[in-house]
Amino acid sequence: GQNIDQPTEMTATEGAIVQINCTYQTSGFNGLFWYQQHAGEAPTFLSYNVLDGLEEKGRFSSFLSRSKGYSYLLLKELQMKDSASYLCAAMDSNYQLIWGAGTKLIIKP
Amino acid sequence: TAGITQAPTSQILAAGRSMTLRCTQDMRHNAMYWYRQDLGLGLRLIHYSNTAGTTGKGEVPDGYSVSRANTDDFPLTLASAVPSQTSVYFCASSEGQTGELFFGEGSRLTVL
Repeated sequence: GQNIDQPTEMTATEGAIVQINCTYQTSGFNGLFWYQQHAGEAPTFLSYNVLDGLEEKGRFSSFLSRSKGYSYLLLKELQMKDSASYLCAAMDSNYQLIWGAGTKLIIKP
Repeated sequence: TAGITQAPTSQILAAGRSMTLRCTQDMRHNAMYWYRQDLGLGLRLIHYSNTAGTTGKGEVPDGYSVSRANTDDFPLTLASAVPSQTSVYFCASSEGQTGELFFGEGSRLTVL
């Protein structure tokens, strides 16, 4: 079956670095997405990886290893506004997105 | 830019009643999607449309129907609502099959 695993909740300190991991099993693979979702709001796009390696975008970076079925989202210089849920989603061979349940990130001062 | 507009924002509905959730986009995206989001679960695809005039079933299509008469509009209809359809519903669009998704603000539906 198709499956996405990511931690349910993580806590980090303002100004620190946090890594949110995601493992996936899909029928075929057409890329890995990360979305941010603040409570009560819609998800918004953060990153897309289809090739192995690290993609950096400001304070956020996303890594992909296709051979391991693994990705992580790295958030640097954490700010209080980064408190949100982070959704990992893998695209299968039919271009359908398989979503994880999300990781709720709590930032403490 | 409006992006994607959903209506209503929230609704309480009696079981057995019908309901249409409206979704309109102004980005001229070909693909549109309806998802439901429930606590502890990932987003689940209900129905999708790759282009105007075509629709397809997602992971959880039972009890829901959609239409795509034009590029901009993608309404979701519950013919006879049941309590298990209580959820937050998100409409989304993308330029192509591998493009990022743009989401509406969501419609919170409670079926009693």
